[in-house]
Amino acid sequence: NAGVTQTPKFQVLKTGQSMTLQCAQDMNHEYMSWYRQDPGMGLRLIHYSVGAGITDQGEVPNGYNVSRSTTEDFPLRLLSAAPSQTSVYFCASSPSGGAFGEQFFGPGTRLTVL
Amino acid sequence: KNQVEQSPQSLIILEGKNCTLQCNYTVSPFSNLRWYKQDTGRGPVSLTIMTFSENTKSNGRYTATLDADTKQSSLHITASQLSDSASYICVVSSNDYKLSFGAGTTVTVRA
Repeated sequence: NAGVTQTPKFQVLKTGQSMTLQCAQDMNHEYMSWYRQDPGMGLRLIHYSVGAGITDQGEVPNGYNVSRSTTEDFPLRLLSAAPSQTSVYFCASSPSGGAFGEQFFGPGTRLTVL
Repeated sequence: KNQVEQSPQSLIILEGKNCTLQCNYTVSPFSNLRWYKQDTGRGPVSLTIMTFSENTKSNGRYTATLDADTKQSSLHITASQLSDSASYICVVSSNDYKLSFGAGTTVTVRA
């Protein structure tokens, strides 16, 4: 199993550009989530999904959209990039809800917005 | 607001020495507590999980403790190795499916 994969690994955007961060898992996990990690702060939840066709907002959802058309894929879209979105983004999956299941994280995408 | 505080923010130890990392939390109602290890440039990986009734859990040279009464946990690394250089993150789950992440402790092991 590849586990959780993320692409791209690095990305530089200009303010106002849009892009999609890709995330896929091959473990048949129902629960998937997106986090951002900033220096000196804990991981913060952006959006999550408890199954195909179901998504919900996390702690910091503004400026991001998600969709979950299949169990395997959970892309994160930046609608109009801003410098405040410069961060490292992690996708994670879990075999059960976040409270009880171990989170399996992808390798991350380092995004810089100029 | 649920919070997880970790200390120290960073530490440097010599190879072969022991160290202890602290995690204090205010999360309620408590479900479980996990310690994750995050190597530079990679995603976090789970080391241990502890529920309310567990006091100690080991994973090789890593030993986690939990005091649910005082809402404190510690992660002890025994006989440190260069590969232990990483950030260690404390994550507390509440019964309403919410996760609270600490900011992490960065451990540097020097030869």
